[in-house]
Amino acid sequence: NAGVTQTPKFQVLKTGQSMTLQCAQDMNHEYMSWYRQDPGMGLRLIHYSVGAGITDQGEVPNGYNVSRSTTEDFPLRLLSAAPSQTSVYFCASSYSRDGAWGYFGPGTRLTVT
Amino acid sequence: SQQGEEDPQALSIQEGENATMNCSYKTSINNLQWYRQNSGRGLVHLILIRSNEREKHSGRLRVTLDTSKKSSSLLITASRAADTASYFCATDAGNNDMRFGAGTRLTVKP
Repeated sequence: NAGVTQTPKFQVLKTGQSMTLQCAQDMNHEYMSWYRQDPGMGLRLIHYSVGAGITDQGEVPNGYNVSRSTTEDFPLRLLSAAPSQTSVYFCASSYSRDGAWGYFGPGTRLTVT
Repeated sequence: SQQGEEDPQALSIQEGENATMNCSYKTSINNLQWYRQNSGRGLVHLILIRSNEREKHSGRLRVTLDTSKKSSSLLITASRAADTASYFCATDAGNNDMRFGAGTRLTVKP
């Protein structure tokens, strides 16, 4: 199993550009989520999904869209990038909603200039 | 807003010593988890303790939970240089929204 994979690893965007961060898992996990991590802060939940076709907002959803058309993929779209979205983004997945995000991807480091 | 807050923010110890990190939180929880993050990597889940549990062990890790004080501690015994990482607590209130603290940065000197 590849686990949770994220692409790209690094990305630089100009303000106003849009892009999609990819996340995929090959463990047939129902639960997937996106977090952002800023210096000196813990991870903050952006969006999550409890299964294909079902998504919901987390703590900081503004400026981001998600969709879950398949169990494997959970892309995160930045609609119009802003410098405040400069961060490291992590995707996570879990077999059950038993409280633990068991698997995290390696992260995407995004810089918006 | 953050739910868990780790203390201390940074901890530096010698190899072989024990490391203790604390986490305090504000609201009722279903469970509390600890994660490790090596520099530049994603988080690794270490241990989950449920609200009706008081102590849990996993190898050299010992986690305690005091729901009356809304606090938890993570003890790493006989630390190794490879334990150098940031450690985060995360609380789960059962609403699909886990909240992470800002983390404790642990340095274990060989």
